[in-house]
Amino acid sequence: EIVLTQSPDFQSVTPKEKVTITCRASQSIGSSLHWYQHKPDQSPKLLINYASQSFSGVPSRFSGSGSGTDFTLTINTLEAEDAATYYCHQSSTLPYTFGQGTKLEIK
Amino acid sequence: EVQLVESGGGLVQPGRSLRLSCTGSGFTFGDFLMTWVRQAPGMGLEWVGFIRSKSYGGTSEYAASVKGRFTISRDDSKSIAYLQMNSLNAEDTAIYSCFRGAFGDYWGQGTLVTVSS
Repeated sequence: EIVLTQSPDFQSVTPKEKVTITCRASQSIGSSLHWYQHKPDQSPKLLINYASQSFSGVPSRFSGSGSGTDFTLTINTLEAEDAATYYCHQSSTLPYTFGQGTKLEIK
Repeated sequence: EVQLVESGGGLVQPGRSLRLSCTGSGFTFGDFLMTWVRQAPGMGLEWVGFIRSKSYGGTSEYAASVKGRFTISRDDSKSIAYLQMNSLNAEDTAIYSCFRGAFGDYWGQGTLVTVSS
């Protein structure tokens, strides 16, 4: 099973800051890595698919990069509404897996 | 508008069974692989499994934690994907959600399953 390790687990940031969340895979997954935003009492929302493709309607401040084993989700100019838990997810190798999540708190 | 609605959750005793449904609308359901995931209380997302479209054999794949106990099936005429859960235990307590495709461009709102005596 491919293990996805996100860092950090938790981050407290102020609005307008730039945030970087990383996701490292235990073996190469090509570009089959996706990012979600999950707020309490809501269903997760797809932000980025296949490492760097922005999903329709996602604000341009969200971007993704990486391939192989190392991936990054970047949030430029953080807004208060970005408070959420962020997950990476691989669909390269069965069983598919999720990272443990990164909780973002807005100060 | 694409919509997914899960149903069938509830309180169930350990060792018993439960079947969840994921009903899709706003898209050609039969063309899509459908995935189930879960989130236990206070925990992260866990991939449960998926069922391929009939065009790709209609076969299913599962996480090790549920393999042999859970079965995913589909009825494309009703636009429903099912998650049959047998031999449930406390560790299966979670919100169960479905999403379209191998990665979730659209998700349902989830249904809560509580396994307790």
